[in-house]
Amino acid sequence: EPEVTQTPSHQVTQMGQEVILRCVPISNHLYFYWYRQILGQKVEFLVSFYNNEISEKSEIFDDQFSVERPDGSNFTLKIRSTKLEDSAMYFCASRLQQLGNQPQHFGDGTRLSIL
Amino acid sequence: SQKIEQNSEALNIQEGKTATLTCNYTNYSPAYLQWYRQDPGRGPVFLLLIRENEKEKRKERLKVTFDTTLKQSLFHITASQPADSATYLCALGGMDSNYQLIWGAGTKLIIKP
Repeated sequence: EPEVTQTPSHQVTQMGQEVILRCVPISNHLYFYWYRQILGQKVEFLVSFYNNEISEKSEIFDDQFSVERPDGSNFTLKIRSTKLEDSAMYFCASRLQQLGNQPQHFGDGTRLSIL
Repeated sequence: SQKIEQNSEALNIQEGKTATLTCNYTNYSPAYLQWYRQDPGRGPVFLLLIRENEKEKRKERLKVTFDTTLKQSLFHITASQPADSATYLCALGGMDSNYQLIWGAGTKLIIKP
């Protein structure tokens, strides 16, 4: 069964450094998402992406965050200047359609640790 | 603002019994509700979806109900097994959120042998 893959599985970065988290969504999916989950807390929506542009973003997704689909297969999340509070699991998800009943398919996440 | 509540405490169930998890919501009229399972260190995995015009949905040992009057969904696992131990998340979708999923915090289910 097709899977969403994320790399790296664990990223350790100094505060203030830039970090790029990578995702390869399921190949025929059209909608892509990034979520964040701070340890022990709920899954939080960051951003959705469709047709090479952001379709929705949350208040968490400020100017420090950006997303890109550079080559038609990878979907990346960049944090420009990381803060301690950015430490969390970051999940990528993809979905065939936005409307209707299609579920989201998640990767296993990147654990981001900011020192 | 939209709010989803799931059992905040972990649910401990004896193996073989039925586990029932609750998802309540306010300030929202979902078109559908989804249930996901999340294991430690893993991403959520889709289990079941139920639409606003459906009362009940079943899949093997799983059953989901949806009461739009009570604004509540119940998720049942019958004949529970230790392997069912995980965190279960409910998520709502609909026009109110432009079809972005709104997530509950999850309920941790522990099935004791």
